[in-house]
Amino acid sequence: DVKVTQSSRYLVKRTGEKVFLECVQDMDHENMFWYRQDPGLGLRLIYFSYDVKMKEKGDIPEGYSVSREKKERFSLILESASTNQTSMYLCASSRPGQGSTDTQYFGPGTRLTVL
Amino acid sequence: RKEVEQDPGPFNVPEGATVAFNCTYSNSASQSFFWYRQDCRKEPKLLMSVYSSGNEDGRFTAQLNRASQYISLLIRDSKLSDSATYLCVVREGGKLIFGQGTELSVKP
Repeated sequence: DVKVTQSSRYLVKRTGEKVFLECVQDMDHENMFWYRQDPGLGLRLIYFSYDVKMKEKGDIPEGYSVSREKKERFSLILESASTNQTSMYLCASSRPGQGSTDTQYFGPGTRLTVL
Repeated sequence: RKEVEQDPGPFNVPEGATVAFNCTYSNSASQSFFWYRQDCRKEPKLLMSVYSSGNEDGRFTAQLNRASQYISLLIRDSKLSDSATYLCVVREGGKLIFGQGTELSVKP
């Protein structure tokens, strides 16, 4: 069974703080993704990575950065948290190869509140 | 225009009802199509892929019409446990594009 874990289920931070969201998968997947999910907007892709040390911008990368130092771990960083980054953050992973994004396995999500 | 658009919800149906969800996508070059299910306060999980020939998995039937850029999901004999949000998903290149989801509530 694929397992994707995220470091926190709930997180409360203050405006201007640096925030780290960690994601770990145990199935040796090469592809990893970070999304945020907001009511009425659905899931929106922030960043993704197809390999260690590789990263690609998604649809809404502004205000975020990522780190992929190890294959199993993909970190999302909010350099200076703002209230409009209050959201549910979901990490996902998938198998390598063309078409591998077909089945993405999601972590349980981190609900971040920025005050 | 959103890349993937779904029926607005919520759908409130009695147990045993048949319910249909519709979805349209804007990019004719989209390559693969899926329905994901998301339970309240849980992560999305793949429900089924959608093929041009149509495919069925128990009470669930998915259809794809590439010419109309239209995807559907039919649920027959609804169960209480079918209550969830159903996400229409399209693959474009290396990315998945998610619709905003349609909420289904099945009542006794």
